Amino acid sequence: SAVISQKPSRDICQRGTSLTIQCQVDSQVTMMFWYRQQPGQSLTLIATANQGSEATYESGFVIDKFPISRPNLTFSTLTVSNMSPEDSSIYLCSAWGTGANVLTFGAGSRLTVL
Amino acid sequence: TQLLEQSPQFLSIQEGENLTVYCNSSSVFSSLQWYRQEPGEGPVLLVTVVTGGEVKKLKRLTFQFGDARKDSSLHITAAQPGDTGLYLCAKGDSGTYKYIFGTGTRLKVLA
Repeated sequence: SAVISQKPSRDICQRGTSLTIQCQVDSQVTMMFWYRQQPGQSLTLIATANQGSEATYESGFVIDKFPISRPNLTFSTLTVSNMSPEDSSIYLCSAWGTGANVLTFGAGSRLTVL
Repeated sequence: TQLLEQSPQFLSIQEGENLTVYCNSSSVFSSLQWYRQEPGEGPVLLVTVVTGGEVKKLKRLTFQFGDARKDSSLHITAAQPGDTGLYLCAKGDSGTYKYIFGTGTRLKVLA
């Protein structure tokens, strides 16, 4: 299956700032997704990153807060905008359609907002 | 929103004990996946079950899909400290390929 690299792996940010997380896959994939995992919780799907078009957001998530880009079949970014302490979470990039057709995850980006 | 409820939420056991984790939904699954997530890592797929009543084994792990395809269980025999982690069931949508995850079971196996 594909190898997914995310950066930064962790960051500490100030309230009101924005942070962009990058996700690089080592092969072309059909679908890319962004998940949020709040402390001690399961995974919640934020959005599907669509190549060359606007992302498809799940209920409770909006583009102004979580703008997503996917310029090609191997790369995507997620920005967490105007951060507050409630945004402190692990953000996970995932990909589907890598030959074995399984959902593969990056190691996540742990964000702490002070 | 389709919810996948897992039980128990937390489990702390001694090495060598057996345990079972459950995943339940009010709706039917076309397939169901089980993942394990270790600290600092993303979830890793353990198994996919597709057919009602299906049983799959992965070393000491036994996965079962309910006959009605609305529930699943994961049984670990003779648990080891290396089994420690967050266990997640997930349902995939065959049209959008979106995966919805269960509430999770956090397992700690003490040596």
